[in-house]
Amino acid sequence: SQQGEEDPQALSIQEGENATMNCSYKTSINNLQWYRQNSGRGLVHLILIRSNEREKHSGRLRVTLDTSKKSSSLLITASRAADTASYFCATDAGDYKLSFGAGTTVTVRA
Amino acid sequence: ETGVTQSPTHLIKTRGQQVTLRCSSQSGHNTVSWYQQALGQGPQFIFQYYREEENGRGNFPPRFSGLQFPNYSSELNVNALELDDSALYLCASSLDYPWTGAETQYFGPGTRLLVL
Repeated sequence: SQQGEEDPQALSIQEGENATMNCSYKTSINNLQWYRQNSGRGLVHLILIRSNEREKHSGRLRVTLDTSKKSSSLLITASRAADTASYFCATDAGDYKLSFGAGTTVTVRA
Repeated sequence: ETGVTQSPTHLIKTRGQQVTLRCSSQSGHNTVSWYQQALGQGPQFIFQYYREEENGRGNFPPRFSGLQFPNYSSELNVNALELDDSALYLCASSLDYPWTGAETQYFGPGTRLLVL
């Protein structure tokens, strides 16, 4: 079973637009992480937000975390064709593993 | 580039066979985790090794086993392959025994296994 669930499952946007995806999870966490995966290959770490943080920025990425609602969002601003990928949230509950959601597939149209 | 490599990139096996997948972690990374990613799904945790000992295990049967070596390489072995074992297998390394709540895992490109 998967801890996190991303919403929407798929997203198609025009280049230059913003993309927002959400993640909900079930148990208490130490941190939540977002990863990108291109064409079914390895995962690339994007950003980590700790449970005591509410918002974090990294370049064109903005992540929010609401532990009371057990949810997080990832915003990609000014999207580019190279942002086309699947995006996964992963929760770290303080044990030895990351628990991933099923991902959001983002397509950026030129 | 994460500095984590996996071999082979693709593999085809038949049901009942055994397979060994390999991972080479970043130098100095004492922790390696293995994940299984079925098509259209997120990765599922298989197990983790820290300094050559299994440190935790997900909901996978004993026919999934692993080894970690002092040279930062590791193996995932799967016996008695089943059709449902067809997936992308990912290894990920991190700097030390983490689980301080703020460790980044560095993923390899994966091995795609097809069981016929």
